[in-house]
Amino acid sequence: QVQLQESGPGLVKPSETLSLTCTVSGGSISSYYWSWIRQPPGKGLEWIGYIYYSGSTNYNPSLKSRVTISVDTSKNQFSLKLSSVTAADTAVYYCARDIRGIAARPYNWFDPWGQGTLVTVSS
Amino acid sequence: SSELTQDPAVSVALGQTVRITCQGDSLRSYYASWYQQKPGQAPVLVIYGKNNRPSGIPDRFSGSSSGNTASLTITGAQAEDEADYYCNSRDSSGNHHVVFGGGTKLTVL
Repeated sequence: QVQLQESGPGLVKPSETLSLTCTVSGGSISSYYWSWIRQPPGKGLEWIGYIYYSGSTNYNPSLKSRVTISVDTSKNQFSLKLSSVTAADTAVYYCARDIRGIAARPYNWFDPWGQGTLVTVSS
Repeated sequence: SSELTQDPAVSVALGQTVRITCQGDSLRSYYASWYQQKPGQAPVLVIYGKNNRPSGIPDRFSGSSSGNTASLTITGAQAEDEADYYCNSRDSSGNHHVVFGGGTKLTVL
């Protein structure tokens, strides 16, 4: 079955750019949407944005000015860049397959998820 | 702030039935999905669409919706069901954005 694995630095300095990669195994990245979601310590989940395998993106308006999500279909990977980070960006970052469409009504769910990676913003 | 509202905490006696709710205007138009998250673990999808369970999710988990409220029901709660539960849906902007509820901590007594 499809599995996702996040990778990247666990510590980023304030004002710098957070960069993470999600590697998809057990299936192709094609024909799906892929999302990044984060969870500050002790808090709830926040959707960051998605990318379609073709490269089209959609971002959370609250983060849009700082977020870039890209995809590399040849490597079965997609990536997150978050610029100008502050301590408020400290969180566990998850990647997930984003399944969306329309049946009786539009739907969206995330399955599977990566295990998550903690990124701490600190000098 | 979240456009989906959940009760912060709910408790249930072992073997009893509990309903966890999620409220928001977007739920009048979009399906909610539900996730279980245990400490130190990634969320796991438990209900999606109208009322569908992924493979491996026990049939004691079910979902329903009415008006602006989606519900996750656990019939015969087990000790292993103690976890945080989150709902998600498209937001009401029509821009294909996603929102999560704030989460409900379920305690099994």
